[in-house]
Amino acid sequence: SSELTQDPAVSVALGQTVRITCQGDSLRTYYASWYQQKPGQAPVLVIYGKDNRPSGIPDRFSGSSSGNTASLTITGAQAEDEADYYCNSRDTSGNHPVVFGGGTKLTVL
Amino acid sequence: QLHLQESGPGLVKPSETLSLTCTVSGGSISSSSYYWGWIRQPPGKGLECIGTIYYSGSTYYNPSLKSRVTISVDTSKNQFSLKLSSVTVADTAVYYCARRSRSQNSAYFDYWGQGTLVTVSS
Repeated sequence: SSELTQDPAVSVALGQTVRITCQGDSLRTYYASWYQQKPGQAPVLVIYGKDNRPSGIPDRFSGSSSGNTASLTITGAQAEDEADYYCNSRDTSGNHPVVFGGGTKLTVL
Repeated sequence: QLHLQESGPGLVKPSETLSLTCTVSGGSISSSSYYWGWIRQPPGKGLECIGTIYYSGSTYYNPSLKSRVTISVDTSKNQFSLKLSSVTVADTAVYYCARRSRSQNSAYFDYWGQGTLVTVSS
């Protein structure tokens, strides 16, 4: 399959922990990567590989995976974490190497 | 610090060809460790990978766009380009160029351009 499925919207209380999920057959083989996108801005990579954060990404962001589901966890969500989050991975179908999820809008209450 | 910058017309007429160039600075496009890609985002919608290219010229295209897409690379100018033919209003989007790692177990884009809005309209 060439699809990654995300919940359209998730909310979290300020300071609490939230998990954003991404489901797809390709995740049984490949790691998901996660991107944060704020309005009017380009996406920013926040998690890649097994659980790696690029320089400058706070350690409250972490990644995990089980079976066909990858998760992005924000531990102690901050107001500035309110954004759209996208997952992506390699594609197992052989037709195209990259597939993106539909995105999750995170609201921090 | 790597920097990517998209350039090209912001308005294209239906049935014409959309052409964009991404200029890479602060690093070499000829690195063996990366692919270079185009991703687009229609207004209010999600991300779609159009395709990627390796410095050697090897390309991968999204099957849904493959018949209309050409991605090329000019290593002498440290640039890569996108051409999308026979555009319709559905091709209106912000177009991003980005660098993708050649990791075997993932497909992450670690550097992105700021994006450029291309509107298809007569």
